Amino acid sequence: GQSLEQPSEVTAVEGAIVQINCTYQTSGFYGLSWYQQHDGGAPTFLSYNALDGLEETGRFSSFLSRSDSYGYLLLQELQMKDSASYFCAVIPGSASKIIFGSGTRLSIRP
Amino acid sequence: ETGVTQSPTHLIKTRGQQVTLRCSSQSGHNTVSWYQQALGQGPQFIFQYYREEENGRGNFPPRFSGLQFPNYSSELNVNALELDDSALYLCASSSGLAGGPVDEQFFGPGTRLTVL
Repeated sequence: GQSLEQPSEVTAVEGAIVQINCTYQTSGFYGLSWYQQHDGGAPTFLSYNALDGLEETGRFSSFLSRSDSYGYLLLQELQMKDSASYFCAVIPGSASKIIFGSGTRLSIRP
Repeated sequence: ETGVTQSPTHLIKTRGQQVTLRCSSQSGHNTVSWYQQALGQGPQFIFQYYREEENGRGNFPPRFSGLQFPNYSSELNVNALELDDSALYLCASSSGLAGGPVDEQFFGPGTRLTVL
């Protein structure tokens, strides 16, 4: 089968750093994406990793290890507006299908 | 450049009815994907269209069908509605090649469907 696992909830303090992990099991693999979704809003694209390593975009970074079927999203200098759900999404070998995780709800405390 | 739009915003139907949801893709995007998102869950992939042809499908029954038009707008049709079909339906557009991986998708605001 195909599945993704990520923590259901994470709490962090404003200004801190938080890491959201994602492990996946798929038939073939093209890449791993991360999306942010605020309550009542649409998911918005954050990053995409096709190769091993770290991709950095401002305060957000995403990492992929294909051999470990593992990735993470790193959020630095947390701001209150970062409170949202974060989803990892895998493109399996068929490439014409995207599988989302169940999401990690990030709560930021002052 | 206009973003992805969906209509209607909200919809209430009764069990057994049929519904059509609409999506207008972002300018220049030739690929559209539809998702079902239940409350507190991640989006579940329904299907993807590339240049008016279905290009991939998730684990949804045939009563979920779609169309993509030459202007790349699209429709999601659901027949014989069931209570469990109540969810947020999202469409996402992207640019890409048929059969190729879709990396960045642009999501619309969604249609909230309630089946009574």
